Amino acid sequence: QVHLQESGPGLVKPSQTLSLTCTVSGDSIRSSGDFWSWIRQHPGKGLEWIGYVYYSGNTHYNPSLKSRVFISVDTSKNQFSLELTSVTAADTAVYYCARSPLHFIDYWGQGILVTVSP
Amino acid sequence: EIVLTQSPGTLSLSPGERATLSCRASQSVSSSYLAWYQQKPGQAPRLLIYGASSRATGIPDRFSGSGSGTDFTLTISRLESEDFAVYYCQSGITFGPGTKVDIK
Repeated sequence: QVHLQESGPGLVKPSQTLSLTCTVSGDSIRSSGDFWSWIRQHPGKGLEWIGYVYYSGNTHYNPSLKSRVFISVDTSKNQFSLELTSVTAADTAVYYCARSPLHFIDYWGQGILVTVSP
Repeated sequence: EIVLTQSPGTLSLSPGERATLSCRASQSVSSSYLAWYQQKPGQAPRLLIYGASSRATGIPDRFSGSGSGTDFTLTISRLESEDFAVYYCQSGITFGPGTKVDIK
């Protein structure tokens, strides 16, 4: 069974960088051929795909966030990470990591609420 | 960039009734790229349908997906109590705004 778990601070100050890590178990990032994604959901709102990374390090970002996002992968730890710079209150959301085998998401983490506040 | 529109915004139905949810794309998309998810409060979304019409593992056959081009449909043949939730369609990196199915 594939399991994804987000970790990182739940509170970030405005203008700082939000950093989250997703630890994958039950699957190998290096060998699976899947894409590994970050998605967020603002409180009471819909889903927003932030971007994804392939095991090789190739990435694709949502154009609306591209200037502030960096997604990386550490195959030795079977983890991938999200950095979102210059955060504001508008970045307060639940952040999910997820696995994308093709053009859909089949496994999601439980999500982590990140609040941007002084 | 594709824009997905879902209708209705809210669907109020009773258990046992049929639910028909619509997802319309701003431009034609490959059926391979269309998926549906269910989300309940406090939970991560769950994959229901991928490739427009293929049910994900463990999804009951009362859920079915159809459509092509710009118009896609998720149908729940007979609503059960656990089906009242929000449903999202997705294509590429774009999600629709969701349809909430609530109890009438």
